[in-house]
Amino acid sequence: GESVGLHLPTLSVQEGDNSIINCAYSNSASDYFIWYKQESGKGPQFIIDIRSNMDKRQGQRVTVLLNKTVKHLSLQIAATQPGDSAVYFCAEKIAWGTGANNLFFGTGTRLTVIP
Amino acid sequence: DTAVSQTPKYLVTQMGNDKSIKCEQNLGHDTMYWYKQDSKKFLKIMFSYNNKELIINETVPNRFSPKSPDKAHLNLHINSLELGDSAVYFCASSQDRRGQRIRTDTQYFGPGTRLTVL
Repeated sequence: GESVGLHLPTLSVQEGDNSIINCAYSNSASDYFIWYKQESGKGPQFIIDIRSNMDKRQGQRVTVLLNKTVKHLSLQIAATQPGDSAVYFCAEKIAWGTGANNLFFGTGTRLTVIP
Repeated sequence: DTAVSQTPKYLVTQMGNDKSIKCEQNLGHDTMYWYKQDSKKFLKIMFSYNNKELIINETVPNRFSPKSPDKAHLNLHINSLELGDSAVYFCASSQDRRGQRIRTDTQYFGPGTRLTVL
């Protein structure tokens, strides 16, 4: 299953399939990106991050791809499990205020895994 | 052994009241944040604070004020509560990027405080 994070905020996939969640970021000067997972009633939980000098980073069952040319970020989840059901946020680090770096979050995509 | 904790988890109050939400982190981080998450799940930064400076998102009303008694705590005070303040408020912390031995930039979030203003 595949979604465009900002325009299609829901994604349903069958258990065992791979999931792809997409995100378009806004600032070409952003140099750091994070994916967070937020389960119902909980705070966002760090999944994986990537710096702008990389185009791919892999974790356990997750891969983040960064395309700076089109300012696009994606999160791939392999063999999606029911426990992966959550809202997923991408965030970019932007210099803000007097130079402090802070995270600005995308809209989020709700992933629902169908058993 | 919770990394970032908040109290209370739920807060229900009347318009016009003043309330506080507490946040504590035991990660040894030197930067803390407050975020507001609305009913559409949009997360918006309100404040960024370390022992050197407080950065305020200009869209945040001055009824909101963070107060840090020490490096491990950043409490959020809200005066004259309004209906539109109803939301989930998250505290987060990170280590300033100059802390080279510790993961930098990544923010670790608390469980959230659901504020309902009646």
